[in-house]
Amino acid sequence: AQKVTQAQTEISVVEKEDVTLDCVYETRDTTYYLFWYKQPPSGELVFLIRRNSFDEQNEISGRYSWNFQKSTSSFNFTITASQVVDSAVYFCALRDSNYQLIWGAGTKLIIKP
Amino acid sequence: NAGVTQTPKFQVLKTGQSMTLQCAQDMNHEYMSWYRQDPGMGLRLIHYSVGAGITDQGEVPNGYNVSRSTTEDFPLRLLSAAPSQTSVYFCASTPSIGTDTQYFGPGTRLTVL
Repeated sequence: AQKVTQAQTEISVVEKEDVTLDCVYETRDTTYYLFWYKQPPSGELVFLIRRNSFDEQNEISGRYSWNFQKSTSSFNFTITASQVVDSAVYFCALRDSNYQLIWGAGTKLIIKP
Repeated sequence: NAGVTQTPKFQVLKTGQSMTLQCAQDMNHEYMSWYRQDPGMGLRLIHYSVGAGITDQGEVPNGYNVSRSTTEDFPLRLLSAAPSQTSVYFCASTPSIGTDTQYFGPGTRLTVL
């Protein structure tokens, strides 16, 4: 079965701390895509990153970085030097062979000033 | 480009009423979909369309109808609203079924009393 698990329901850190959001997925497909989306308090969904199953290189974009490990079926997201504006719900998602997005339940990240 | 637009932003219905949530995109995207988002859960796919005249069911289609008479529009109809349909509804589009990044509308918050 296709499944995405975000075990951390809520994380609270103080500004400037680093924080890692975990994502573990299950799929039978050999080709698949993984995504992270951000949902700030305003409610819209903001695309952050897409990663395909053949590209295990880690990616860094400013303060954001992603660690994709097929061996452990994980696609973790790290924010370095967190800021209050990073407060949001973050979703990990898996695109299956039917092109449907399977979503995790989300992790609410609270950055305290 | 307006991107993906949804109307209304908020709606309150009584049990048994019907209504249509509107979704439109001006990016000539082939693939459109409807999701619902409930507290503590990720998005769940209701219906999707791979092109004008073609629709299919997602994970939670019961109680909803869709049609796709044009590339631009993908309305979602609630036939007889139930309190279990209280949710936030997101419409999304992507250029084609093989393209990965979905563009989301701002969402419609629906309450059924």
